[in-house]
Amino acid sequence: DQQVKQNSPSLSVQEGRISILNCDYTNSMFDYFLWYKKYPAEGPTFLISISSIKDKNEDGRFTVFLNKSAKHLSLHIVPSQPGDSAVYFCAAASHAGGTSYGKLTFGQGTILTVHP
Amino acid sequence: DAGVIQSPRHEVTEMGQEVTLRCKPISGHNSLFWYRQTMMRGLELLIYFNNNVPIDDSGMPEDRFSAKMPNASFSTLKIQPSEPRDSAVYFCASSFLVPGPHGYTFGSGTRLTVV
Repeated sequence: DQQVKQNSPSLSVQEGRISILNCDYTNSMFDYFLWYKKYPAEGPTFLISISSIKDKNEDGRFTVFLNKSAKHLSLHIVPSQPGDSAVYFCAAASHAGGTSYGKLTFGQGTILTVHP
Repeated sequence: DAGVIQSPRHEVTEMGQEVTLRCKPISGHNSLFWYRQTMMRGLELLIYFNNNVPIDDSGMPEDRFSAKMPNASFSTLKIQPSEPRDSAVYFCASSFLVPGPHGYTFGSGTRLTVV
């Protein structure tokens, strides 16, 4: 049961252009969403997050958009740089009680390649 | 701060052998998570601890897998006996509160190969 899905395994973008990575979720209890970036032979590192009370959060070149009605979020990178080439994971969490509290459920990741 | 420290970085073992993966979380973090990354399933949560107590182990694939957290600064994930399908990268992550604005901090992972 994939509660968080990243349907695009890979994305290729030219340097300077916008990269848009997409993520869909099915669990309506999710109220916190994060994006992680992962380079080869390293662990994922936190990039940006958004609470369900917001629909947009921006940090420099990175913006995350949340559409709760569609259960969809996206990460925009503008402008894209070759150093952004990595695997990007979408993750979701619920602050509801029980054993699901605090668990991050990850998507399968999207490989972003930014060409010079 | 040295971050989350995992050992070993790489492990190659023969089918049937016992494998122990180790993790030292960031000092002060009270939650610890074990994840497994495979091409087919992405990052899947195996087990997580809060204040050294296992909270949810529903992701542990089968009885061959076990995890312990004897104190706040150390955790192990053990596979006995190991099988080729256990080959994956295993990540440990820690956090203070759950999940804060900065999510989890991951270690660099242990790449396990079972031949």
